[in-house]
Amino acid sequence: EPEVTQTPSHQVTQMGQEVILRCVPISNHLYFYWYRQILGQKVEFLVSFYNNEISEKSEIFDDQFSVERPDGSNFTLKIRSTKLEDSAMYFCASEDRYTGELFFGEGSRLTVL
Amino acid sequence: AQSVAQPEDQVNVAEGNPLTVKCTYSVSGNPYLFWYVQYPNRGLQFLLKYITGDNLVKGSYGFEAEFNKSQTSFHLKKPSALVSDSALYFCAVRDIRGNTPLVFGKGTRLSVIA
Repeated sequence: EPEVTQTPSHQVTQMGQEVILRCVPISNHLYFYWYRQILGQKVEFLVSFYNNEISEKSEIFDDQFSVERPDGSNFTLKIRSTKLEDSAMYFCASEDRYTGELFFGEGSRLTVL
Repeated sequence: AQSVAQPEDQVNVAEGNPLTVKCTYSVSGNPYLFWYVQYPNRGLQFLLKYITGDNLVKGSYGFEAEFNKSQTSFHLKKPSALVSDSALYFCAVRDIRGNTPLVFGKGTRLSVIA
């Protein structure tokens, strides 16, 4: 069964450092998403991406965040200068447009010290 | 704007008993409704969805959910709980119209006691 894969599974970084989280969506999907979950709490929408541009973004997705699909396969989330409050689990998802179902990766746990 | 309410932070049930995890939603148009489960230190695993058709939806691991339009609810149910069902359960909704993102409830922690 096709799946969404994310790397790294866990990253520890110092405050102020840049972080890139990577995702490989399901190959025939066209809509991609990033969500964030702080410490087993609510899963929050960050950004959606279609046709090489952002479709929608939340208030959380400020100028420190960016997304891109550099090579037609990977879908990346970059945090330019990490803050302590960026510590969370970040989930990538891709969408089956026919069913509306989102398929989630296992997540990347980011710890900012 | 769409939203989801899961009124219970925690649900405790004895193994073998029926379980219900509650969810109500708000959307402008017609909803797509989903339930996801999260086991410790794992990602979000799809359980079931309602798009259209029968109001009673059956999903993975014996779970089912009933779409009730008048009550704007989509409660998750299982006739006989297992200890292995213990996990965090998320209800989610998106508006059928447009490319709206999936919005999650805050989650309900289910604890099944042997």
